[in-house]
Amino acid sequence: DAGVIQSPRHEVTEMGQEVTLRCKPISGHDYLFWYRQTMMRGLELLIYFNNNVPIDDSGMPEDRFSAKMPNASFSTLKIQPSEPRDSAVYFCASSGRGWPGNTIYFGEGSWLTVV
Amino acid sequence: AQSVTQPDIHITVSEGASLELRCNYSYGATPYLFWYVQSPGQGLQLLLKYFSGDTLVQGIKGFEAEFKRSQSSFNLRKPSVHWSDAAEYFCAVGRGNTNAGKSTFGDGTTLTVKP
Repeated sequence: DAGVIQSPRHEVTEMGQEVTLRCKPISGHDYLFWYRQTMMRGLELLIYFNNNVPIDDSGMPEDRFSAKMPNASFSTLKIQPSEPRDSAVYFCASSGRGWPGNTIYFGEGSWLTVV
Repeated sequence: AQSVTQPDIHITVSEGASLELRCNYSYGATPYLFWYVQSPGQGLQLLLKYFSGDTLVQGIKGFEAEFKRSQSSFNLRKPSVHWSDAAEYFCAVGRGNTNAGKSTFGDGTTLTVKP
């Protein structure tokens, strides 16, 4: 089976531009997570969805960040406007509810550089 | 609230030597524990997990971990390290099936393998 698929893998953008990161979770998984990884802050959970509904967005750093999950097979994380401090690796991950449902499967990440 | 501590930021071992990476957790109930590995430029990959039963858990790539409730620890071990094991290792604690997936990650331990 295909794993979690993220796009783009790499993006370089100018400050002020809108950035959209995309994710396709593993089929059948009903939890989807967005993480951000930086050297300074490590791995941070930004938001997670259950059955396409946002459950906890307390990790979203500010209003410039938004995430949507219009259906079970697709999610986006948007940054508008982007800033240099948003440069990081953004991971999407998914997890199923059934036993052993807690394992989180990660995508390979979207490496974002804002200049 | 759940939390995870990985006391060692960086560990260096010689190829062929044994390895132990430490993980301590704080959680109010029976924990669900995980170890993930992240190779440079890659996403996180699950090495092993503990939910219940035998406290010594076997994982992929020759790794094992032992759950010790009395010490709130879940240390990762490998008897003989290979150069390809050089990576960053993350310990995580998660909730049960009723709210699957919102795991808390430690800050990671970077493993360097000397020839």
